Amino acid sequence: GAGVSQSPSNKVTEKGKDVELRCDPISGHTALYWYRQSLGQGLEFLIYFQGNSAPDKSGLPSDRFSAERTGGSVSTLTIQRTQQEDSAVYLCASSQGQGASYEQFFGPGTRLTVL
Amino acid sequence: DAKTTQPNSMESNEEEPVHLPCNHSTISGTDYIHWYRQLPSQGPEYVIHGLTSNVNNRMASLAIAEDRKSSTLILHRATLRDAAVYYCILRIWDSNYQLIWGAGTKLIIKP
Repeated sequence: GAGVSQSPSNKVTEKGKDVELRCDPISGHTALYWYRQSLGQGLEFLIYFQGNSAPDKSGLPSDRFSAERTGGSVSTLTIQRTQQEDSAVYLCASSQGQGASYEQFFGPGTRLTVL
Repeated sequence: DAKTTQPNSMESNEEEPVHLPCNHSTISGTDYIHWYRQLPSQGPEYVIHGLTSNVNNRMASLAIAEDRKSSTLILHRATLRDAAVYYCILRIWDSNYQLIWGAGTKLIIKP
């Protein structure tokens, strides 16, 4: 079946521009996560959506970062006024449920480069 | 605060078993132990998870110490395609169930 998809796969932008990253989770998965990964590092949690509940935004590094999830499916991560330190791979994952035993399925990521 | 400790890298020969260790001395009773791996230029991939008992699936086995302060991921017969970074992660029950990632172990497979 279809896995998690993300677009674009690569994004190069100039410092100060806004970018939007898209995630299509696996159909029926209620939980959706955004992470980012800097070169050679582990993943850093950004934000979490579960069903219709208010998202957990505790990992967002600044107010330049925001995300929404429409209709409990597709999610968009927006970075305003991008900075060079925002350069990283942004990964989206979805999960069938909220429990700690559920595995997360990851997309291929969006590589963001801010010049 | 990654809560797990893994060696930075390990090497193994192709077609031999690989034992990847992980220490998680601060684990609490309801934390699950998850393992993921990440192949070069790809998103992470789920490998296995467990709570108290040893677990087996088509990819690997997970051996959990009796006190749960450590665990070992076992690849029974490594292939070149198993070369990846392997992450041992505690899935915290009373959080939003996010995965807290450390730096992982880079597994190198020698032909």
